[in-house]
Amino acid sequence: GQQLNQSPQSMFIQEGEDVSMNCTSSSIFNTWLWYKQDPGEGPVLLIALYKAGELTSNGRLTAQFGITRKDSFLNISASIPSDVGIYFCAGADNNDYKLSFGAGTTVTVRA
Amino acid sequence: KAGVTQTPRYLIKTRGQQVTLSCSPISGHRSVSWYQQTPGQGLQFLFEYFSETQRNKGNFPGRFSGRQFSNSRSEMNVSTLELGDSALYLCASSSGQLLTGELFFGEGSRLTVL
Repeated sequence: GQQLNQSPQSMFIQEGEDVSMNCTSSSIFNTWLWYKQDPGEGPVLLIALYKAGELTSNGRLTAQFGITRKDSFLNISASIPSDVGIYFCAGADNNDYKLSFGAGTTVTVRA
Repeated sequence: KAGVTQTPRYLIKTRGQQVTLSCSPISGHRSVSWYQQTPGQGLQFLFEYFSETQRNKGNFPGRFSGRQFSNSRSEMNVSTLELGDSALYLCASSSGQLLTGELFFGEGSRLTVL
């Protein structure tokens, strides 16, 4: 299946900082998504992007669907302790009936 | 409305045994997907079902199988367990016929193989 390269693998950030993570793929996707997983829980959808070039915000989160359809980034502004968790990018080719996930970015916030 | 429910939440098996995991999707959702999550590997796609039909299958050996019932509940089975099968198995449901990505995940079943 498609391989998604997500970076960075982990990050330690200071409360209040802005952070950024990105994802690249060798294949194009029709949909890019960002999920967050808290310890002991399943991933929860944060943002879904359906159109190349689209920039979408959800509170302090902003994500963009790359113009080539092979990449996406997620920004978190003014990080707070509850931003701790693992963030996953995922791509969907609507004809495949599956998501391809990146390996995740583990975010730890220093108070 | 109730979320995706997976049972059991935790289980321990030994090599060579088999295991069955269950997933009840959100009411009204007809698509159920299964993913395997291991540390550092992200989520690997196992299979997806819609209205009792498997529409796609990931690159896992034949020891991994699944099915969906008429009420959209799904089960996955792993036979002849190996140590490497230790993982968190996540089930996700979706409402649409097209899988656009808005998946709702359960809390997972954590399998440990000794």
